[in-house]
Amino acid sequence: AQSVAQPEDQVNVAEGNPLTVKCTYSVSGNPYLFWYVQYPNRGLQFLLKYITGDNLVKGSYGFEAEFNKSQTSFHLKKPSALVSDSALYFCAVRDVDDSNYQLIWGAGTKLIIKP
Amino acid sequence: SQTIHQWPATLVQPVGSPLSLECTVEGTSNPNLYWYRQAAGRGLQLLFYSVGIGQISSEVPQNLSASRPQDRQFILSSKKLLLSDSGFYLCAWSQTGLLDYNSPLHFGNGTRLTVT
Repeated sequence: AQSVAQPEDQVNVAEGNPLTVKCTYSVSGNPYLFWYVQYPNRGLQFLLKYITGDNLVKGSYGFEAEFNKSQTSFHLKKPSALVSDSALYFCAVRDVDDSNYQLIWGAGTKLIIKP
Repeated sequence: SQTIHQWPATLVQPVGSPLSLECTVEGTSNPNLYWYRQAAGRGLQLLFYSVGIGQISSEVPQNLSASRPQDRQFILSSKKLLLSDSGFYLCAWSQTGLLDYNSPLHFGNGTRLTVT
């Protein structure tokens, strides 16, 4: 079955330190992978996506993510965290080989950046 | 540029009352449109999606219905609300055609519905 796992319910990082939000996926075909961020009482904002090509993709607000096919992972990273990065982060996958191309969503990870 | 509008931002309704939430998209044509519900501030549940006017697919059988009377208008409705309908409702759009699979979703700011 297709699925996305975000194993950490919450991640705490000190401002200025690097951050990583983990995501692993399971699809039968080839994955298209996405990261979104949600601020309180707002809709989700698209951060970045992996479709094909370079395994390291760069997105908005200084975020990047690394696609690892062997580990079926797509972890979100940022070299230096800001307090304003505190938000809820969602990973999502779309199975390119599935005619039902709806996104499969992770449960979300709350990121807290402490000053 | 494309924009998505969703209203109202908050809504408090009694059990048994009707519901109508509206979403419109500007700056694009023939978008895919989606209604999601987010419960307890976390997981996203796809409720309905539409690939064209009058074409609605339901992902979860429930007390809600959706309609797409115009190309860029998507409406979520209920005839009689239940307590369990409370939640944060999000409308989203994505591009159609060859870009279907790699097109991200673009979300509205959501409607916080409380059924009392």
